[in-house]
Amino acid sequence: QKEVEQNSGPLSVPEGAIASLNCTYSDRGSQSFFWYRQYSGKSPELIMSIYSNGDKEDGRFTAQLNKASQYVSLLIRDSQPSDSATYLCAGYNNNDMRFGAGTRLTVKP
Amino acid sequence: NAGVTQTPKFQVLKTGQSMTLQCAQDMNHNSMYWYRQDPGMGLRLIYYSASEGTTDKGEVPNGYNVSRLNKREFSLRLESAAPSQTSVYFCASSETGTSYEQYFGPGTRLTVT
Repeated sequence: QKEVEQNSGPLSVPEGAIASLNCTYSDRGSQSFFWYRQYSGKSPELIMSIYSNGDKEDGRFTAQLNKASQYVSLLIRDSQPSDSATYLCAGYNNNDMRFGAGTRLTVKP
Repeated sequence: NAGVTQTPKFQVLKTGQSMTLQCAQDMNHNSMYWYRQDPGMGLRLIYYSASEGTTDKGEVPNGYNVSRLNKREFSLRLESAAPSQTSVYFCASSETGTSYEQYFGPGTRLTVT
C-alpha cells in the first residue's frame, strides 16, 4: 500500500510565526514530491516541488526532503492570515501521484 | 490561457443515472488525470492518460470509464451512478518527462441521491 501520511491538524500559528508542516511516505520508489495549498471549496494549487534530498527555498516557503527517512516538510516563514488553508503533500512514482489527507493551517492575526 | 477547465461545476444525479464530466487543458500537456476528493481521505486517482490515445487505471477506477478524446480533452463517465460516487472530482494535467507537476481544474461537485 502506497501511503502518504500527514497530521490532519488543525495547526494554529500566530501571524508572523513559522508554520511547520510534515509528511511521511511509504513508497520508496517515489521520485518527486509536491506541496499543494487548497482553500476551502477550491482546487489544489501547486506551491512547491522538490526532487532531491535537501532544502529548496521559494520566497517564504522552504521544502525539505529526506529520502532515507521518507520524510518531506514545508516551512512557511512570516505566516500570514492568507496562508490559512489545507496543505496537501504528494509523492509521485511513474504516473501514480499519492496525496496525503492534508493538514489544516490557521494563521491568527 | 485558461489552464484546466471542467464542466459542469455542480451536478445532482439520481442513483442509476449516467453522466460525463468534461475536462480540457490548453497547456499542451501530454498527461491528464482524474481524481476524486472525499472528506478525510485526500485526493485519489481514478484514471490517467499518459499521452493521447492511452488510458490507465488508478487507485479507484471501479464504476468509471474515461476517454482521451484528443491531446486537450479527457472525459470521465459514470455509467450508473451510485451514492458512493458522491464526491468532488478534479481533473489535472502535467508535462511528464520534465517536472511531473500537476495543475488542477476547478472541480465538479457531484451528489448522487
